[in-house]
Amino acid sequence: GQNIDQPTEMTATEGAIVQINCTYQTSGFNGLFWYQQHAGEAPTFLSYNVLDGLEEKGRFSSFLSRSKGYSYLLLKELQMKDSASYLCAVWADSNYQLIWGAGTKLIIKP
Amino acid sequence: ETGVTQTPRHLVMGMTNKKSLKCEQHLGHNAMYWYKQSAKKPLELMFVYSLEERVENNSVPSRFSPECPNSSHLFLHLHTLQPEDSALYLCASSQAPGRRGDEQFFGPGTRLTVL
Repeated sequence: GQNIDQPTEMTATEGAIVQINCTYQTSGFNGLFWYQQHAGEAPTFLSYNVLDGLEEKGRFSSFLSRSKGYSYLLLKELQMKDSASYLCAVWADSNYQLIWGAGTKLIIKP
Repeated sequence: ETGVTQTPRHLVMGMTNKKSLKCEQHLGHNAMYWYKQSAKKPLELMFVYSLEERVENNSVPSRFSPECPNSSHLFLHLHTLQPEDSALYLCASSQAPGRRGDEQFFGPGTRLTVL
């Protein structure tokens, strides 16, 4: 079957760095997405990785290792507004269907 | 206008009611999606329309009926729902389904409670 695993919840301190991991087992691979979802709001796109390596975008970076079926989202200089759920999704086979993880709820403490 | 809008934002209905959820996208995209989001579960894709043609229907019960009258509007008609159908229903759109990196833009969702 197709499966994506993420930690359910993580806690970090304002100003620190946190890494949210995502492992996947899918029948195919055409790229991996990270989305951010604040409570009661729409998921919003953060990053897309299809090649191995690190992609940096401001305070957020995303890493992919296709051979290991592994990705992480790195958040630096954490701010209170980064408290949200972070969703990992893999585009496996279908033209239209992403395989989604259950999301990681990130709690930022002062 | 924000990219993808959904109405209503909250809906409470009995099991015998009939209601409809509405989604509108102002991005000129070609594909629209309905997802169900339940607490601590992955997003479940329900339906996909590409250029107004339904291209995915993931074994969704017939009590959910989608309609896509044009590329900007998507409806989800609900009837005789069950309490386990209570969830957040998200609409999304994208420009080029099937193209690598095609990003989906989500609406804020309709929080549905079935009594």
